[in-house]
Amino acid sequence: RKEVEQDPGPFNVPEGATVAFNCTYSNSASQSFFWYRQDCRKEPKLLMSVYSSGNEDGRFTAQLNRASQYISLLIRDSKLSDSATYLCAVNTGGFKTIFGAGTRLFVKA
Amino acid sequence: DAMVIQNPRYQVTQFGKPVTLSCSQTLNHNVMYWYQQKSSQAPKLLFHYYDKDFNNEADTPDNFQSRRPNTSFCFLDIRSPGLGDAAMYLCATSRAKNSGRVNEQFFGPGTRLTVL
Repeated sequence: RKEVEQDPGPFNVPEGATVAFNCTYSNSASQSFFWYRQDCRKEPKLLMSVYSSGNEDGRFTAQLNRASQYISLLIRDSKLSDSATYLCAVNTGGFKTIFGAGTRLFVKA
Repeated sequence: DAMVIQNPRYQVTQFGKPVTLSCSQTLNHNVMYWYQQKSSQAPKLLFHYYDKDFNNEADTPDNFQSRRPNTSFCFLDIRSPGLGDAAMYLCATSRAKNSGRVNEQFFGPGTRLTVL
């Protein structure tokens, strides 16, 4: 079993739709959680950190479920510019962060 | 603007010919990382530096070496590139907290390596 797993997708959604991704992790001692966005052939860029209480940034909401060991990302009112690959990342302690392989999102007009 | 810079952006080398990739940062972060990312795969951590302390991942091939001469610069040396080493190489930085936990990582634009 991979340490961090994501549904690779692709998710194809129309503009304005709400879409949600999950990411499961295997190490129950994991401490910090992040979502990154990666455009084709570009570097990952931090989208948001995920806090225990959940957090929201505009149209994006991240949640952490420690009991079931997953994090989620919800995107409301999808824009064409949201088309990208979304990577989750889990810090397992110390300096090591494990990345998922990403979920591809295509938002179409 | 504070940033992470990688040079070159594209590198073509021949099978077995050593290559060095460079990374510099103006964020003054104490942790620097090198990742290898192949198409549709997760970034794979090769090694990291916490200040001058070097930490190699157990599955990083001996073919890969790194140097960090100062806080701002870090180099990735691939001694004898094979065809399987063709990938995007990403440098990232973060700030370690006193608790030993790290903040978010910030990535450079990457170097895309082609091995002929």
